[in-house]
Amino acid sequence: AQTVTQSQPEMSVQEAETVTLSCTYDTSESDYYLFWYKQPPSRQMILVIRQEAYKQQNATENRFSVNFQKAAKSFSLKISDSQLGDAAMYFCAYRYSGGGADGLTFGKGTHLIIQP
Amino acid sequence: KAGVTQTPRYLIKTRGQQVTLSCSPISGHRSVSWYQQTPGQGLQFLFEYFSETQRNKGNFPGRFSGRQFSNSRSEMNVSTLELGDSALYLCASSRGAVGSTDTQYFGPGTRLTVL
Repeated sequence: AQTVTQSQPEMSVQEAETVTLSCTYDTSESDYYLFWYKQPPSRQMILVIRQEAYKQQNATENRFSVNFQKAAKSFSLKISDSQLGDAAMYFCAYRYSGGGADGLTFGKGTHLIIQP
Repeated sequence: KAGVTQTPRYLIKTRGQQVTLSCSPISGHRSVSWYQQTPGQGLQFLFEYFSETQRNKGNFPGRFSGRQFSNSRSEMNVSTLELGDSALYLCASSRGAVGSTDTQYFGPGTRLTVL
């Protein structure tokens, strides 16, 4: 079974600085998708960024980018120019792309604190 | 386009009762997935419905069930509630196409408290 590990329960960064959240996963599949979701205090899960495993190019969405290392099974999220609104729980998630996929497998999350 | 909606947002029940939660997906989305979020176990997949059929199921007891209607709206039911069922229940919708990028978009959740 696949697993997702986020080794940093909590991270703190100064406003306007850059922070990187770590995520590793374990799977025997070669085709899958990886996601970062943000969950602010409102509890609404918001998609931040996604990565298809077959794509070598790292995904980027404005201030958010990933470092996807398929061989190392690593999928870190870099947030540039951190803003107060970035404060939230961040979850890394995996989903197999084939039929019969068992939904998203989530990590335990990283609580990101933005210091003004 | 309207997002995923879940009703009710908050619910308080007592042990032994049953509860039904509702989810309306984004227009055009045919897949609805349910997740349970607790402080101890984190986010866990319950089941996924596509075109009124359960496509996948997580490792939960039979007390947890669901269904999907022809308009893609979905309900999940928990019977004989236990204290440990207290959780945030999240619904997510997606287009449901297997083998393609099929991102799940989440609703605001239903907070269930079992007393």
